[in-house]
Amino acid sequence: DGGITQSPKYLFRKEGQNVTLSCEQNLNHDAMYWYRQDPGQGLRLIYYSQIVNDFQKGDIAEGYSVSREKKESFPLTVTSAQKNPTAFYLCASSRFDINSNQPQHFGDGTRLSIL
Amino acid sequence: KNEVEQSPQNLTAQEGEFITINCSYSVGISALHWLQQHPGGGIVSLFMLSSGKKKHGRLIATINIQEKHSSLHITASHPRDSAVYICAVRYENTDKLIFGTGTRLQVFP
Repeated sequence: DGGITQSPKYLFRKEGQNVTLSCEQNLNHDAMYWYRQDPGQGLRLIYYSQIVNDFQKGDIAEGYSVSREKKESFPLTVTSAQKNPTAFYLCASSRFDINSNQPQHFGDGTRLSIL
Repeated sequence: KNEVEQSPQNLTAQEGEFITINCSYSVGISALHWLQQHPGGGIVSLFMLSSGKKKHGRLIATINIQEKHSSLHITASHPRDSAVYICAVRYENTDKLIFGTGTRLQVFP
């Protein structure tokens, strides 16, 4: 079945460590997105990519980095510069067409906690 | 104030009740999405609509563009409908989504 796979489901990080969250999709979607979810807040966009080898900052990109070397993969690195990394992270993908609306498909998320 | 407001924040119901969740936004949009987030965290897209009304099984979504308001209705609610329901809007000329904070629904048998 086509879908989005995020791994791991739970991730623990020590202070000062970088960690990378995986997101893979087999939906042949051009666009991919990373969101952060905190209690009592709506999802906020971290980074997004509309095409391979290109990506743009979202609303809360500081302390995060991404790469898009393959269409299927959009890993997110939470760097030590991110001062409050504990959150639930969701990856999404969609077909990209600026002239029409496309639904976003979501993964099951990764919950990151600081030890 | 959130750009996308949902009400109520929390909702409890008895099995079989008719449920309504509301979403209001403040500027022109090209589409509105209703999403369902399960207790484990995964999100499923329920509807994407830009006008009128859509129905899928026991779920109905409506949107009034002039009033900048959408509703999600669940008929004959069931405990398996218990989840967080999230409204998200796509502003005109962008593919970014702005999300509401969600409505937590619990349906008791």
